[in-house]
Order: sequence, then C-alpha cells, then structure tokens
Amino acid sequence: AQTVTQSQPEMSVQEAETVTLSCTYDTSENNYYLFWYKQPPSRQMILVIRQEAYKQQNATENRFSVNFQKAAKSFSLKISDSQLGDTAMYFCAFSDRGYNTDKLIFGTGTRLQVFP
Amino acid sequence: DVKVTQSSRYLVKRTGEKVFLECVQDMDHENMFWYRQDPGLGLRLIYFSYDVKMKEKGDIPEGYSVSREKKERFSLILESASTNQTSMYLCASRYGRVVSSDNSPLHFGNGTRLTVT
Repeated sequence: AQTVTQSQPEMSVQEAETVTLSCTYDTSENNYYLFWYKQPPSRQMILVIRQEAYKQQNATENRFSVNFQKAAKSFSLKISDSQLGDTAMYFCAFSDRGYNTDKLIFGTGTRLQVFP
Repeated sequence: DVKVTQSSRYLVKRTGEKVFLECVQDMDHENMFWYRQDPGLGLRLIYFSYDVKMKEKGDIPEGYSVSREKKERFSLILESASTNQTSMYLCASRYGRVVSSDNSPLHFGNGTRLTVT
C-alpha cells in the first residue's frame, strides 16, 4: 500500500526567509503524481503545487518549488521569501495514475508558522 | 471559480443520532469525495463517488454511508453517531475520471467540524 510520511509536525520561519518542508512516500508504481496542499486557518484546502513522476524537472509556482528525488522517494517543498500569509498546515499527497484510482493519499501534515 | 459548499461549519450531535453532512458543488464535477481530518493522522478518505448513484469505499468507511442522488450533491451519513466520529469532515470534488489530469485539481469545501457528545 502507498504511504506518505511527513516527519515534521511543526516548523517555523521568519518572514522573508526560506523554509523547506519534507515529505517521503512509498510506492511500487512508476507513474504517479505528487502534490502539496495548503490549509490556512480558514480551513480551505488549496493546491500549492503538483509534480508528475515521469517529469524529471522540478515543478515551480512562484515562490514555491519542489525537490523531487524519485529514487529516494522524496518530495520536499521549498518556500522562498516566506510571507505571513504562508502560515498554514501543509499536506503532501500522492496519487497513482490508475484509471480507476481516483483518490489521494495524504500525509499527516506540517504546521508552518511564519513570524514577522 | 469552483465552489464546494458544505452546509454546516460546526455541528454538535448526541451519541446515537443520525447525522447528515451535505456537500454541493457548482461545476458539474463527476467526482466527489469525503475525507476525515484528525490531528496527527492527516486526511483519510471515507467514501468517494465518480457518478450519480455510484459510490466506492475509501480507507475508513466503517460507520459511514453516502448518497449521491444528484450530480452536484454528495451526502455523508452517520447512521448512529459515536464519540469517535468527532472530527473535521472535508468534502472535495474534481472534474474528470483521471485523478491528476492537468485541468482537474481537487477542490475542497471549508469543512464541517462535528462534535459528538
């Protein structure tokens, strides 16, 4: 069974600094997708970034980028120039590409606090 | 913008009550999901549906059932609520059959925090 592990329950960073959130996963599949979701205090889950396993290039979205290491099954999220609005729970998620597999498997989350 | 609406933000129910959590999406999405979120456990999938009247068990379906009579509405039912079902419940929807096509991210509602006393 696929699993997703986030080993950092809580992280903190000062505004304008860079922070990296860790995520590892376990799967025997070769083709799959990985995601980072953000859940601010408003509770609305928002997709931050996604990575397709067959793409070697790391995905980036503005200040957010990932370090995808397929062999190590690692998928970390780097937030550059942290802002107060980045304060949230961050969830790493995995999904394979099976036709009838419509579900995401989530990690346990990392609570990020950005300090002024 | 896609809107996924959960009918209640907070809900308090008594043990043994039948509880309905309602979720409506306005973008004609085929797929709808119910997750449960608990501290230290992340999000766990309860049930999902990829079409009207279709339902599939997720990872933790015990104690729950679902109903999808209309495409836009996906209801989670607790037949006899118990204290261990106190949790945050998140509904989500997505267009299309393949989970991760570029045009179909998962859209979440704001969650219902259910307390069973």
